[in-house]
Amino acid sequence: KAGVTQTPRYLIKTRGQQVTLSCSPISGHRSVSWYQQTPGQGLQFLFEYFSETQRNKGNFPGRFSGRQFSNSRSEMNVSTLELGDSALYLCASSLAGRGSPGYTFGSGTRLTVV
Amino acid sequence: KNEVEQSPQNLTAQEGEFITINCSYSVGISALHWLQQHPGGGIVSLFMLSSGKKKHGRLIATINIQEKHSSLHITASHPRDSAVYICAVRQETSGSRLTFGEGTQLTVNP
Repeated sequence: KAGVTQTPRYLIKTRGQQVTLSCSPISGHRSVSWYQQTPGQGLQFLFEYFSETQRNKGNFPGRFSGRQFSNSRSEMNVSTLELGDSALYLCASSLAGRGSPGYTFGSGTRLTVV
Repeated sequence: KNEVEQSPQNLTAQEGEFITINCSYSVGISALHWLQQHPGGGIVSLFMLSSGKKKHGRLIATINIQEKHSSLHITASHPRDSAVYICAVRQETSGSRLTFGEGTQLTVNP
């Protein structure tokens, strides 16, 4: 069974630009959550989507947004990129939200802002 | 103080040694996860625990809910176990949101 697919794997953007990252969950998984990983802050929760609705949001500015489609695929968008947005962005999918047993992570998108 | 603390931050072992990584947390949780991250970034979920002990191959994870503490043990360590091991908790009040420890960098030398 296919795993969680994140595209693209690598991305270089310029300050001020915007970027969209994609995450395709495991078939049947309805919950998708996004995380940012940086050397200084470690892994931090961005947001979670379940059945096309944002169910939970971390402490990130409004420049970070996301959405989920009816097929459970999710995208996250970062507008007006800053150097500090350079990070590995990971998504994870799980079955049916609350109470579900575990998570499957994608390989991540490494974003570099120059 | 972080809500999830891991120790040690770095660990170097010789092949075959028994390894223990510890995780303490300060919040009420519904589950605790142990994750493994290899260079390149991909994360693999090793265990999810809400009580007791789980074993998978050479890996054993335990949790003491009263003490708010979990341990990950690796028996007969091997160089391929070299990775970052991350403890993450799902808080009782935060749905599926995970809060992470800083990770333990494990290096196993042949």
